[in-house]
Formats: sequence, structure tokens, C-alpha cells
Amino acid sequence: LAKTTQPISMDSYEGQEVNITCSHNNIATNDYITWYQQFPSQGPRFIIQGYKTKVTNEVASLFIPADRKSSTLSLPRVSLSDTAVYYCLVGWGNNDMRFGAGTRLTVKP
Amino acid sequence: GAGVSQSPSNKVTEKGKDVELRCDPISGHTALYWYRQRLGQGLEFLIYFQGNSAPDKSGLPSDRFSAERTGESVSTLTIQRTQQEDSAVYLCASSLAGSREKLFFGSGTQLSVL
Repeated sequence: LAKTTQPISMDSYEGQEVNITCSHNNIATNDYITWYQQFPSQGPRFIIQGYKTKVTNEVASLFIPADRKSSTLSLPRVSLSDTAVYYCLVGWGNNDMRFGAGTRLTVKP
Repeated sequence: GAGVSQSPSNKVTEKGKDVELRCDPISGHTALYWYRQRLGQGLEFLIYFQGNSAPDKSGLPSDRFSAERTGESVSTLTIQRTQQEDSAVYLCASSLAGSREKLFFGSGTQLSVL
């Protein structure tokens, strides 16, 4: 199983761009990289998924370098409502769905 | 229903009692997961079901924990002789079969063992 390492916490201010990096040095060829967001008292929800290069959706962008040993979740112009815990997940196949400790993002006014 | 449903939403029990937690996955989702989340911590994998295959029980912390799922329907997580350290939110997630399918989570059951 590919292990992931993320910063425990990050602080930002409204309107700023936030980049959260996840390290996954032993990622396997078939592994995809998926990010989830969790608000207090709720289950995590899917944000974005990628395999290589860059993926963008209406919520975030995901940057994956050529060696795929890390990935960066980018949140443009964050607001207070983006305060949450963000999890990086690396795996292929449903039995690899083990979450790390996540990154607690706090957005300040 | 439209999403993953878990019941009860809150459960308070006394140490030593058995508890049963229920998860109704999204219809058609063959994969089902249980996770435990202690206050302020990340998600701890407990067990994984995929269709009629043998479940992956590698995350169950002790033999007091067990889970069942009949086919692709409801799952129950049972904790016997509860201990105070079992207090946590128990989250259930389901997904379609396949390597890239996203997980859909329920809102969890908050278990408090007094």
C-alpha cells in the first residue's frame, strides 16, 4: 500500500490560493491519486482525482509531477467555508482505501 | 435513498454492552467500507466488503469487532463488550466496483461509551 505524508495543518486567509502537498514515494504504476474534503460532523467527500500532469475541476486543481512521487492540491481563492480537513489517498482498487491523518486547513478572515 | 444512510446517528452505551451500527449503501454499490474516526484524528480503516468476495478484515482492532453484509445490501458493524476507547464516529462508505470509483460517505454514527 502506498503510504502518504501530508502537513498536519495549514493556515490561510480569505482570497488566497492554498496549495497542499502530499508525498507518496512508493506509488505504484497503477495507483491513482484522490483527494477528499471533510467538514466537522460529516463524512469525507470527493474533491478531485488524477493520474499524472494536471487535473482541474470546478472546485480545485491537482498537480502531479512526472515522477508521481508527490501531488499538490490547489484551492483557488479560498473562503471561510473551505476550512476543513483534506485527505490525500493513493491506491488502485477498492482495498487500498486507507486514509492518512489529513491536513487541517484553517481559513481566516 | 440518494446517499449512504447510517443509523443510529448517535449511540450512548455503557461499558460492557454490545452495540450494532447499521449502514445502508447507495443502491448498486458493490463495495462497502467501515472506518473509525476518533476525535480530532484521521480515518482508521476497519473492514471492506466487495460483492460476494470474502471481506478484508485486516483493520478490525480486536475480536470484539465484527461486521456482516448480505450481498450488496445493508451492513452491520457489531462491537461486543464495548470499552471507553471504542468511543468514536463510525463512518460507512460505498462505491461502485472498479479502481477509480469515488467513495460516498454517510454522516456516521457517534458512539459514546460511558
